Amino acid sequence: AQSVTQPDIHITVSEGASLELRCNYSYGATPYLFWYVQSPGQGLQLLLKYFSGDTLVQGIKGFEAEFKRSQSSFNLRKPSVHWSDAAEYFCAVAFNQAGTALIFGKGTTLSVSS
Amino acid sequence: NAGVTQTPKFQVLKTGQSMTLQCAQDMNHNSMYWYRQDPGMGLRLIYYSASEGTTDKGEVPNGYNVSRLNKREFSLRLESAAPSQTSVYFCATSSGANVLTFGAGSRLTVL
Repeated sequence: AQSVTQPDIHITVSEGASLELRCNYSYGATPYLFWYVQSPGQGLQLLLKYFSGDTLVQGIKGFEAEFKRSQSSFNLRKPSVHWSDAAEYFCAVAFNQAGTALIFGKGTTLSVSS
Repeated sequence: NAGVTQTPKFQVLKTGQSMTLQCAQDMNHNSMYWYRQDPGMGLRLIYYSASEGTTDKGEVPNGYNVSRLNKREFSLRLESAAPSQTSVYFCATSSGANVLTFGAGSRLTVL
């Protein structure tokens, strides 16, 4: 079955340290891949997306993600975390093209310590 | 520019009551979606509408109905609310490229 897995439920990172959030998917072909962020009490905001082409994609707020076909992964990274990055992060995939809904992972909560 | 507007933002119901969550978008997008968010479960798709006049079930449709009233509006109805439907509900839209724009959410409590 098609699925999205975020292995880490909660991560704590020191301010200024680097961050990597993991995302794996299960699907026979390459899906469309997304990372969304949700601040407390807010809706979801798109950080970045991958459809095709360069496997390293840049997003907003200094985030980037790398698609690795061999590992079925799309991990989110940031070189230096700021306290305002504390939020919940969701990986999502679309398994075919038009008019289909995204399937979301269960999310990773990021805490930033000073 | 409102984007995606959900009403109400908060609602408390008793078991067995009915209610409708409203969603309206001014982005001229074809596709609209209803998700629910529960702690530790991420977002799960309830129903979606790929275009005006069509609706399809998602992962967790039981206990819900939807109406795509026109291109702008997509409503979610609970006919007989149950405590298991206590959740935060999100409406979203997309232009067909799978990039979703979300509303701010509607927090529903069923007692």
